[in-house]
Amino acid sequence: KAGVTQTPRYLIKTRGQQVTLSCSPISGHRSVSWYQQTPGQGLQFLFEYFSETQRNKGNFPGRFSGRQFSNSRSEMNVSTLELGDSALYLCASSQGTGNEQYFGPGTRLTVT
Amino acid sequence: AQRVTQPEKLLSVFKGAPVELKCNYSYSGSPELFWYVQYSRQRLQLLLRHISRESIKGFTADLNKGETSFHLKKPFAQEEDSAMYYCALYSGGYQKVTFGTGTKLQVIP
Repeated sequence: KAGVTQTPRYLIKTRGQQVTLSCSPISGHRSVSWYQQTPGQGLQFLFEYFSETQRNKGNFPGRFSGRQFSNSRSEMNVSTLELGDSALYLCASSQGTGNEQYFGPGTRLTVT
Repeated sequence: AQRVTQPEKLLSVFKGAPVELKCNYSYSGSPELFWYVQYSRQRLQLLLRHISRESIKGFTADLNKGETSFHLKKPFAQEEDSAMYYCALYSGGYQKVTFGTGTKLQVIP
């Protein structure tokens, strides 16, 4: 089975811009979760989608949003980028929330 | 609310020494605990989960409900164990996975 893929792998944006990140889960996985990883804060949960519905949300401002399509692919959007949004954004898929999560390679976002 | 605490950001041990990576959790229900590992330039991946009660790469972890802990242990550290380790809690009541902040294990040759 192909693993979780994320595009793009690297992104450089300017403050105030918006960005969309994409995640393709493992075939058959219906749950997709997004995380922000930084050296100082570690792994922070953004949100989880299951069958196109957002099931859980972390403590991030409304500038962070996401969606999931009928084929389970997911996108994450960040509007009005801030310098502090620079991070590695990880996507993980699983068959269900309590199951093993399979992580993608991440998208490295740099905001200048 | 559920919470996972990994008190050590960095743990340095010599090769051959025992390793214990600490993880404490708070959750009122019946938890499922996991350990994930991220080696340098590799993806985050599952190392082990408490319900499987198996040893992976020499690592074991026992769920202690009385102390609300799920410490990861290995009797003899190897250089290839150097990595970032994350403890995670699945809370069925909230249907949510919560990760700790991670511990970087550095094995000194």
